[in-house]
Amino acid sequence: AQTVTQSQPEMSVQEAETVTLSCTYDTSESNYYLFWYKQPPSRQMILVIRQEAYKQQNATENRFSVNFQKAAKSFSLKISDSQLGDTAMYFCAFMKGGGGADGLTFGKGTHLIIQP
Amino acid sequence: GAGVSQSPRYKVTKRGQDVTLRCDPISSHATLYWYQQALGQGPEFLTYFNYEAQPDKSGLPSDRFSAERPEGSISTLTIQRTEQRDSAMYRCASSLGGATDTQYFGPGTRLTVL
Repeated sequence: AQTVTQSQPEMSVQEAETVTLSCTYDTSESNYYLFWYKQPPSRQMILVIRQEAYKQQNATENRFSVNFQKAAKSFSLKISDSQLGDTAMYFCAFMKGGGGADGLTFGKGTHLIIQP
Repeated sequence: GAGVSQSPRYKVTKRGQDVTLRCDPISSHATLYWYQQALGQGPEFLTYFNYEAQPDKSGLPSDRFSAERPEGSISTLTIQRTEQRDSAMYRCASSLGGATDTQYFGPGTRLTVL
């Protein structure tokens, strides 16, 4: 079984700053996928970014980028030029290759607060 | 449809009653997942369907929980003889069909058992 650990329960930064959210995972799988999901106050679950473990290049989506360190089993999310609308819970998630049966394994989340 | 929809959005019930939650996935999506999210936690996987087949039920917390997807589209999650510990957000997600396709989540049903 795999585990996902988010060690920062809450973080707070000023608008326009850059913030990095940490995530580590433990697995014996060699083929897997990693995700960051955002859960704003509306409680929706919104995909932020996805990383395939076999790709060495870090995924990027506009202001969001990841630092994927496969050997260290680390998958951090960097938010540049943070905006008030980025305030949300952020969940790191793991899915093994061939997925399906296990679904996604989530961490406990980091509550990110962007201060004006 | 444009996105995953779930109904009802909120459900309050008394301990011992049965409840049924509904999920309508994105129309082209073959795979459908159910998750349970307790307050302050990340979602936990319950079960999934590939069309109407349900290959794995091992995440369901007890035999009071069951799920169906009889025509490979809409799915229901039924909790019999509800208990207070069943209070949670129940989330449905769907993906296109490949085992590694990205899952898109619905808004969830918040269940409160009194």
